[in-house]
Amino acid sequence: GAVVSQHPSWVICKSGTSVKIECRSLDFQATTMFWYRQFPKQSLMLMATSNEGSKATYEQGVEKDKFLINHASLTLSTLTVTSAHPEDSSFYICSAYMTGKTEAFFGQGTRLTVV
Amino acid sequence: DAKTTQPPSMDCAEGRAANLPCNHSTISGNEYVYWYRQIHSQGPQYIIHGLKNNETNEMASLIITEDRKSSTLILPHATLRDTAVYYCIVRNGRNQGGKLIFGQGTELSVKP
Repeated sequence: GAVVSQHPSWVICKSGTSVKIECRSLDFQATTMFWYRQFPKQSLMLMATSNEGSKATYEQGVEKDKFLINHASLTLSTLTVTSAHPEDSSFYICSAYMTGKTEAFFGQGTRLTVV
Repeated sequence: DAKTTQPPSMDCAEGRAANLPCNHSTISGNEYVYWYRQIHSQGPQYIIHGLKNNETNEMASLIITEDRKSSTLILPHATLRDTAVYYCIVRNGRNQGGKLIFGQGTELSVKP
């Protein structure tokens, strides 16, 4: 099956700093990737749609200047949390579709802790 | 995409069948039923999907009622590793690449 990999799996950063999370499709190309955020005991919340070669589309209420998304190639999308604060601590998950498939493939997630 | 309703939690004995229900009474004709699961601290995993016929794969079976207003995911012989949150999502299956909106899902606990 298709593999989507995130890096890092977990990260701790200081308040006020920025942190970058990578999402790679390892064995297929993805023109579109999706970023989700999940707080403890809650469901996944879609943050944005990442489009290769163009600007990301953000869901209502998600600050595009705080969560910078870059989709520079067909196999890599990055999410940068800028000026992170403790309330940004969460589990961040990406997903992508493989051509010919209608089911989404998800990364293993990145646990961000801001101290 | 149509909304889905699932029980918040269920228990199942190891080795027995786990039957997870999902209500999607507002489903439209071109919408498919997808099931994903999320094991603790991992990304979601695709299980199965269907339109109107029952489907089976190596992981599970999907039973969709004739009126398509509800469905049941069946794990025939649940193991402890099947403990997870199971999400039922309805979306246009022909719309490849569309975003997924997750509800609260059903937290399945498989007990020894």
